[in-house]
Amino acid sequence: EDQVTQSPEALRLQEGESSSLNCSYTVSGLRGLFWYRQDPGKGPEFLFTLYSAGEEKEKERLKATLTKKESFLHITAPKPEDSATYLCAVLPAQTSGSRLTFGEGTQLTVNP
Amino acid sequence: KAGVTQTPRYLIKTRGQQVTLSCSPISGHRSVSWYQQTPGQGLQFLFEYFSETQRNKGNFPGRFSGRQFSNSRSEMNVSTLELGDSALYLCASSLWEDTQYFGPGTRLTVL
Repeated sequence: EDQVTQSPEALRLQEGESSSLNCSYTVSGLRGLFWYRQDPGKGPEFLFTLYSAGEEKEKERLKATLTKKESFLHITAPKPEDSATYLCAVLPAQTSGSRLTFGEGTQLTVNP
Repeated sequence: KAGVTQTPRYLIKTRGQQVTLSCSPISGHRSVSWYQQTPGQGLQFLFEYFSETQRNKGNFPGRFSGRQFSNSRSEMNVSTLELGDSALYLCASSLWEDTQYFGPGTRLTVL
């Protein structure tokens, strides 16, 4: 069974304090790993797609990396507006279509 | 380009009633997926439609159903509502089997 585990469940940072969020996955073949940001009461907002181990993608203060067993979302010098829940999801290779398996998310709070 | 839209945004129903939620995908996207999000279970996959055909189905009872129209718009229906069906229902669209873009969701409250 496909599994995605995110850690920590919650993270509180001071503005400018860099950190990383972890997403560990167990899947029989990976077609893609996705990172989303979700604000309270809203739908997830797409951040990154990673397809193969060693791949990295960046966007502003965020950088996502992928290995064969986990992905990291690095946040450099975060600002209060980065506060949100960050979700990781996998798309297994053995299933057709677009069925994503999500982790529980990491709730990030950045204090000014 | 307009994003995924969902209507209604909020809905209050009573147990035993049925409800229909609507989703309009991003223009040109042919795949529409539905997810249920609750505090205890997180985001769980309901079903996916592609070219009016159900391509995948999650582990939800038969009370949950959906369909897709020729213009790719999709609806999901929940019959005989239960208290546990209270959740944020999210629709996502994609071009093929790739990145999914989510709508704002429909918040369903069952009393």
